[in-house]
Amino acid sequence: IAGITQAPTSQILAAGRRMTLRCTQDMRHNAMYWYRQDLGLGLRLIHYSNTAGTTGKGEVPDGYSVSRANTDDFPLTLASAVPSQTSVYFCASSEGRTGYNEQFFGPGTRLTVL
Amino acid sequence: DQQVKQNSPSLSVQEGRISILNCDYTNSMFDYFLWYKKYPAEGPTFLISISSIKDKNEDGRFTVFLNKSAKHLSLHIVPSQPGDSAVYFCAARGAGNMLTFGGGTRLMVKP
Repeated sequence: IAGITQAPTSQILAAGRRMTLRCTQDMRHNAMYWYRQDLGLGLRLIHYSNTAGTTGKGEVPDGYSVSRANTDDFPLTLASAVPSQTSVYFCASSEGRTGYNEQFFGPGTRLTVL
Repeated sequence: DQQVKQNSPSLSVQEGRISILNCDYTNSMFDYFLWYKKYPAEGPTFLISISSIKDKNEDGRFTVFLNKSAKHLSLHIVPSQPGDSAVYFCAARGAGNMLTFGGGTRLMVKP
């Protein structure tokens, strides 16, 4: 593994179903992030984690939850999916949340909720 | 209300010419600005950045200009190449070191 991996690559999901998007990084970065990308709106932050064991809410957290049990993994869960959660989801990581804040992104998960 | 805006959803440029991508922001507390490039089916990748204490940063064919009084930044690519065709996002760092992204501009460089 090099960088950030996300799984699945794409998923079609029935409304009301539970879904977990997986994200793993091997760069030993402290901070991790989940974004959703929607046309014309760019990337919007859903949740973030400064370090293992801590999480925080971003701009659009409703309907999503995260956990950070260790440094490498940062799963995003949709407890009961709704069509408005149809989007492309990107996981990212950075060395920290101070100083130079370059974030490295995974390849994305395309989620369709019907 | 979006704090970071890229008003041009798309831009078409001839190969060899200059590409200028623009970005406006409203929050004067932003202290660091970044440009990301995104190809289809891939995640965004970092391209170039600039601190709010500077007005220009150059890296090869890419130059970012910052006009703090106008709350405006621009990315210049010269000369443009077909491989530069991608979606470009500007991002600004604010409180808590959070990044706020613009909506993106799709650049098409024609051979």
